[in-house]
Amino acid sequence: QKEVEQDPGPLSVPEGAIVSLNCTYSNSAFQYFMWYRQYSRKGPELLMYTYSSGNKEDGRFTAQVDKSSKYISLFIRDSQPSDSATYLCAMKREAGTALIFGKGTTLSVSS
Amino acid sequence: GAGVSQSPSNKVTEKGKDVELRCDPISGHTALYWYRQRLGQGLEFLIYFQGNSAPDKSGLPSDRFSAERTGESVSTLTIQRTQQEDSAVYLCASSLAGRADTQYFGPGTRLTVL
Repeated sequence: QKEVEQDPGPLSVPEGAIVSLNCTYSNSAFQYFMWYRQYSRKGPELLMYTYSSGNKEDGRFTAQVDKSSKYISLFIRDSQPSDSATYLCAMKREAGTALIFGKGTTLSVSS
Repeated sequence: GAGVSQSPSNKVTEKGKDVELRCDPISGHTALYWYRQRLGQGLEFLIYFQGNSAPDKSGLPSDRFSAERTGESVSTLTIQRTQQEDSAVYLCASSLAGRADTQYFGPGTRLTVL
């Protein structure tokens, strides 16, 4: 079992839809949870970062961490065609330096 | 301010040749990381540098891979005797010291081994 599992999709939604992206993980030592957005042929861009459990909101984006279920989510409200990208979840142990990534979910938002 | 830069953006090489990939971190970022992204896969950690400390090489897949960093500036990743399975995008990231939770990535070098 990989440490971080993420459904690769693709996920296609119409403009304005609410999008839910998820990852599960197996290592209970993970304390830092990140979501990166990667456009085609570009490097990943940090979107959201959460420490331990809880929710975090930033504009149209909400990140949730449920450590009891080892499950993290990213919600995108009022999705836009410009949100079309691959979304990568990443995690880190308390004292670790390496980020452990999921495979990424490819999202397409049609206008 | 400039972000992380990498060169070349694309590299095509023949099997068995050596390649060198370059990374220029964000100014003031003392931590530097290399990752590999194979097609359809997540990023895999390769190596981590922090200042003048010994690097964490735990992610390097074989002894054909090596990396150097001079002080807190440019880093080079070298792959010797390249194999077709080395074909991937090689991504560099940097962060402030102790802030591995906030890594900023470069655009990557797309390596194709024929």
